[in-house]
Amino acid sequence: AQSVAQPEDQVNVAEGNPLTVKCTYSVSGNPYLFWYVQYPNRGLQFLLKYITGDNLVKGSYGFEAEFNKSQTSFHLKKPSALVSDSALYFCAVDSNSGYALNFGKGTSLLVTP
Amino acid sequence: DAGVTQSPTHLIKTRGQQVTLRCSPKSGHDTVSWYQQALGQGPQFIFQYYEEEERQRGNFPDRFSGHQFPNYSSELNVNALLLGDSALYLCASSLAGDRYNQPQHFGDGTRLSIL
Repeated sequence: AQSVAQPEDQVNVAEGNPLTVKCTYSVSGNPYLFWYVQYPNRGLQFLLKYITGDNLVKGSYGFEAEFNKSQTSFHLKKPSALVSDSALYFCAVDSNSGYALNFGKGTSLLVTP
Repeated sequence: DAGVTQSPTHLIKTRGQQVTLRCSPKSGHDTVSWYQQALGQGPQFIFQYYEEEERQRGNFPDRFSGHQFPNYSSELNVNALLLGDSALYLCASSLAGDRYNQPQHFGDGTRLSIL
């Protein structure tokens, strides 16, 4: 089954520093990977996706993700964190059927001033 | 451009009762998926509806059922509620013919609490 793992429950970073939120995947075939963000009491907002092509994917709000096939990873990155980036981040993989998204358990990002 | 809207935002029920949650997809979308997000967990896929039919179902019991209407809106019904059904229920919409060019768009969810 297609699955993703987010090894960190929480990531803390100071404002202005680069941030990385980790995600590894386990799939059969080509992975279709996504990052979503969830603010308190809100639904999920789409940040970016990897389907094929360049390994560095650029998304919303200055976020980017690097697809690494040899390490089966799809880490989310941002060069300079903002306090407003503090939220819950979910990595997801498209299921084989193409209909469902399988999510990781989420990583809480805290950016301190 | 209206996004995905869900109603109600909050709901409190007791064990054994039945509940119906509603979702209107983003304008232009024709596919609706439902997810359950328990506290501290990632969303879990319940099922997806397209052309008024259930297209795929996750690992959820038959107590969970759904419906899609001709205008693409959808309902999620849960019977015989259990304490473990307490969660945030998320609706997501997408365009069937554009699977990888448009990701699933999520609503803000319905917070269901079972007493």
